[in-house]
Amino acid sequence: KAGVTQTPRYLIKTRGQQVTLSCSPISGHRSVSWYQQTPGQGLQFLFEYFSETQRNKGNFPGRFSGRQFSNSRSEMNVSTLELGDSALYLCASREVGEKLFFGSGTQLSVL
Amino acid sequence: GNSVTQMEGPVTLSEEAFLTINCTYTATGYPSLFWYVQYPGEGLQLLLKATKADDKGSNKGFEATYRKETTSFHLEKGSVQVSDSAVYFCALIGNDYKLSFGAGTTVTVRA
Repeated sequence: KAGVTQTPRYLIKTRGQQVTLSCSPISGHRSVSWYQQTPGQGLQFLFEYFSETQRNKGNFPGRFSGRQFSNSRSEMNVSTLELGDSALYLCASREVGEKLFFGSGTQLSVL
Repeated sequence: GNSVTQMEGPVTLSEEAFLTINCTYTATGYPSLFWYVQYPGEGLQLLLKATKADDKGSNKGFEATYRKETTSFHLEKGSVQVSDSAVYFCALIGNDYKLSFGAGTTVTVRA
């Protein structure tokens, strides 16, 4: 099976722009969750989707949103980018149980 | 809410040295505990896990025991190798099914 695929791998944006990141889970996995990794804050949970419904949400502002499609692929959108949004965004998928499989991440730089 | 605290790095060791990374947690109920590893340029991988008190997770020579009385899940390896150089994250999933991470500990092993 192919692993979790995240695109793009690297992204450079300027303040005020918006960005969309994509995540394709492992085939058969219906849950996709998103995390933000920064040197200062470590790994923080953004949200989790299961069968196209948001099941859990972390403590991020409304500028961060996501969705999941019927094929379980997920997108994460960040609007009105700020410098502090520069981070590695990780996506993980799972089916039953707790074992998460992570993608390699999208490195977002906001200038 | 749930939280994970792990020892700050960076940690630098010589090959064959003993490694310990401390991890303590705060959670209601009975969380599942995990150690994830992130090798340079790669995404996160599950290293080991424990789902109930006194369980010992082990993998690749690493071990961690779920200690409910001290709310700890310290990671240990008796003899590290250069290939163990990575960032290690302690994590838990609580009753809310959200994954909470520690800040990460960077480990560098020198030949």
